[in-house]
Amino acid sequence: NAGVTQTPKFQVLKTGQSMTLQCAQDMNHEYMSWYRQDPGMGLRLIHYSVGAGITDQGEVPNGYNVSRSTTEDFPLRLLSAAPSQTSVYFCASILRGEQFFGPGTRLTVL
Amino acid sequence: AQSVTQLGSHVSVSEGALVLLRCNYSSSVPPYLFWYVQYPNQGLQLLLKYTTGATLVKGINGFEAEFKKSETSFHLTKPSAHMSDAAEYFCAVSGPGGYQKVTFGTGTKLQVIP
Repeated sequence: NAGVTQTPKFQVLKTGQSMTLQCAQDMNHEYMSWYRQDPGMGLRLIHYSVGAGITDQGEVPNGYNVSRSTTEDFPLRLLSAAPSQTSVYFCASILRGEQFFGPGTRLTVL
Repeated sequence: AQSVTQLGSHVSVSEGALVLLRCNYSSSVPPYLFWYVQYPNQGLQLLLKYTTGATLVKGINGFEAEFKKSETSFHLTKPSAHMSDAAEYFCAVSGPGGYQKVTFGTGTKLQVIP
């Protein structure tokens, strides 16, 4: 099992560009989440999904969109990148509260 | 609503000394509690978790934590620090069953001094 995979590992964007961070899991977990990690702030929940076709906002959803067409995939879309979105992004699949994290995507917005 | 407070953003211990990382939580329902570890430039991995039952839980790498309901605490301990324990540690809480959203603390960076 690959667990949770994320692509790309690194990305540099210019302000205003859009992009999609990919996340996939092969554990058949219904729950998945996207977090951003910033120094001194821990992990903050961006969006989460309780199953295919069902998503909801987390703590910091502005500027991000998600969709969940399959159990396996949960992409995160940045609509118009801003420097404030410079961060490390983690995707996780969840089973009974236990988070299984991907390796992360380090995003820099210039 | 739920929240997690980790006391001390940085903790330094000598190699071989006791490690104590503090976590206090608030939750309106019986919580599930977790500790995760993050090594430099890596993702987070589960150290240990409390769901129900025994309040003293043991995890990987010799770590353990005790759920104290009266103190709303879930402190992480290890009797003897090793250089390889240097990492950032995150406490997290979710509602019963773990199906609610998980809230993370802001993390504690552990430095181990030789």
